[in-house]
Amino acid sequence: GNSVTQMEGPVTLSEEAFLTINCTYTATGYPSLFWYVQYPGEGLQLLLKATKADDKGSNKGFEATYRKETTSFHLEKGSVQVSDSAVYFCALTDTNAGKSTFGDGTTLTVKP
Amino acid sequence: GAVVSQHPSWVICKSGTSVKIECRSLDFQATTMFWYRQFPKQSLMLMATSNEGSKATYEQGVEKDKFLINHASLTLSTLTVTSAHPEDSSFYICSARWPRSEKLFFGSGTQLSVL
Repeated sequence: GNSVTQMEGPVTLSEEAFLTINCTYTATGYPSLFWYVQYPGEGLQLLLKATKADDKGSNKGFEATYRKETTSFHLEKGSVQVSDSAVYFCALTDTNAGKSTFGDGTTLTVKP
Repeated sequence: GAVVSQHPSWVICKSGTSVKIECRSLDFQATTMFWYRQFPKQSLMLMATSNEGSKATYEQGVEKDKFLINHASLTLSTLTVTSAHPEDSSFYICSARWPRSEKLFFGSGTQLSVL
């Protein structure tokens, strides 16, 4: 079956530091890949997505590139802010079945 | 973005009682909604896929008679935890799929505590 493995947290960074959260996946076929963010006390929100190999998703300064050869979709941001503190989930969607599989989530804390 | 409302946000109930959780898409029609369970510091576990006007599709290991799902309209799906027990205590989350898209919009979740 499909699976998503993402970097264990928690991750603590200082403001303006560079962020990488690793995500690798196992899937049959050609899934779409997503990063979701869950701010404290809120539901999950779509952060960015990529639907095919070599696509780059970007939003709010975050980026992730769909790497089919390494089955990865690492999340990066050049300069994090305190307001980026949240839990980040990597996910894939099986385009045939329409089901999504989520990673375990990585908690990011950014300190001023 | 689109809004999905989930209610209640938390509920405490006695063992043996039933609890209903509602998931509404407020500004779009969702033919497909999903129900998840999330344990502390763990990922979302898909419980079932809710399709408007038809029976829900349950994931392996999820008891369909215990977790009743009804998707009677294009904007509402409900999850009823029947005869709840303490082991059913968890955080339940719903999501709704945007029409003809893979985009999911999530409810804010329901924390269920069974005493």
